[in-house]
Amino acid sequence: AQSVTQLGSHVSVSEGALVLLRCNYSSSVPPYLFWYVQYPNQGLQLLLKYTSAATLVKGINGFEAEFKKSETSFHLTKPSAHMSDAAEYFCAVSAGGTASKLTFGTGTRLQVTL
Amino acid sequence: EAGVVQSPRYKIIEKKQPVAFWCNPISGHNTLYWYLQNLGQGPELLIRYENEEAVDDSQLPKDRFSAERLKGVDSTLKIQPAELGDSAVYLCASSLVAGARTGELFFGEGSRLTVL
Repeated sequence: AQSVTQLGSHVSVSEGALVLLRCNYSSSVPPYLFWYVQYPNQGLQLLLKYTSAATLVKGINGFEAEFKKSETSFHLTKPSAHMSDAAEYFCAVSAGGTASKLTFGTGTRLQVTL
Repeated sequence: EAGVVQSPRYKIIEKKQPVAFWCNPISGHNTLYWYLQNLGQGPELLIRYENEEAVDDSQLPKDRFSAERLKGVDSTLKIQPAELGDSAVYLCASSLVAGARTGELFFGEGSRLTVL
């Protein structure tokens, strides 16, 4: 069985401040981990992914995430928030291998204020 | 390149009525997914197709939900009859075969269903 837990359904940061969105996972096999972003009235799009290569993964729009096996975490960060980062962010886990399916977290809504 | 196209974007029906959603995946993507997204929740897989074969439909409530992917291209998801609890966003996604293993999915904008 696999699951992800996203801590904090809403996060608010000031423009220019650090963004930190938390994700912890559970998987019985080495996981693949993902962050997807959903802008208002748009479909989900892949932000970045970890598939057992480098533990620090860089994605689009200046986001990055670090896989920490000892902490079963895959937190998403961005050094400086921009107004355009306001969206819903979903962490997801796939148990690797073939024919596996993604299991999504409940999402974190990021608000960016002036 | 065109993305995943879904229709309708919004649908309002009364309970016990039927409803159907259509999805056209990205050209060349063999794998197609239907996800259910309830308010405040993450997407949950309903069914996954590899070409025209449903390879994972374990989460599809088969008493009222059905899906088809004729010719392995576009797909239709049907609910008959709809219940109040079916109000949600129905997401379609597609991927290359390799993407099915690595989880890189391309999502449509979703079809928002309201059942009154």
